[in-house]
Amino acid sequence: NAGVTQTPKFQVLKTGQSMTLQCAQDMNHNSMYWYRQDPGMGLRLIYYSASEGTTDKGEVPNGYNVSRLNKREFSLRLESAAPSQTSVYFCASSEEVGAPSWEQYFGPGTRLTVT
Amino acid sequence: GENVEQHPSTLSVQEGDSAVIKCTYSDSASNYFPWYKQELGKRPQLIIDIRSNVGEKKDQRIAVTLNKTAKHFSLHITETQPEDSAVYFCAALPFSGGYNKLIFGAGTRLAVHP
Repeated sequence: NAGVTQTPKFQVLKTGQSMTLQCAQDMNHNSMYWYRQDPGMGLRLIYYSASEGTTDKGEVPNGYNVSRLNKREFSLRLESAAPSQTSVYFCASSEEVGAPSWEQYFGPGTRLTVT
Repeated sequence: GENVEQHPSTLSVQEGDSAVIKCTYSDSASNYFPWYKQELGKRPQLIIDIRSNVGEKKDQRIAVTLNKTAKHFSLHITETQPEDSAVYFCAALPFSGGYNKLIFGAGTRLAVHP
């Protein structure tokens, strides 16, 4: 099992450019997440998907869009990148609340720099 | 909404000493409190968690305690080793209609010196 995978690992964008971060999981989890991690601020939820075809905003959704393509894949899109979006982005997956384990499994992260 | 505060932000100990990291939360309906460890350049990984119907949980050298009345929970690491050096994040799961939407603390950077 690969667990949670993300592409790319690193990306540099110019202000105004767009890009899509890809995430896939092979653990048959219903729930998937996108977080950003900034120094001194922990992990902040951008968007969440409870199941295929559903998405919901997290704490910091502005400037982002998501697509839950199928049960395995959850992508994050930056339509017009801004320097404030320079961060490390983590995708995660888990069972839903009510399942025996609520552990969230994280991908390796994407380090994004917007100049 | 839920707010999780974590202290201290940095912690330096000698190998073999104990380390304690504390978190407070604001939503009394929160019912799940995990701790994640993140080594430098790596992904966060769950090390221990506790649910609101339990006051303490232990796994070898690590333990978590929960005080629901005071709305705080703590991570205890005994007999620290250099490989315990990492950033530790606490989190809380507020009532969110059955969704697993964690709120994370800002993190504690633990350094264990040989």
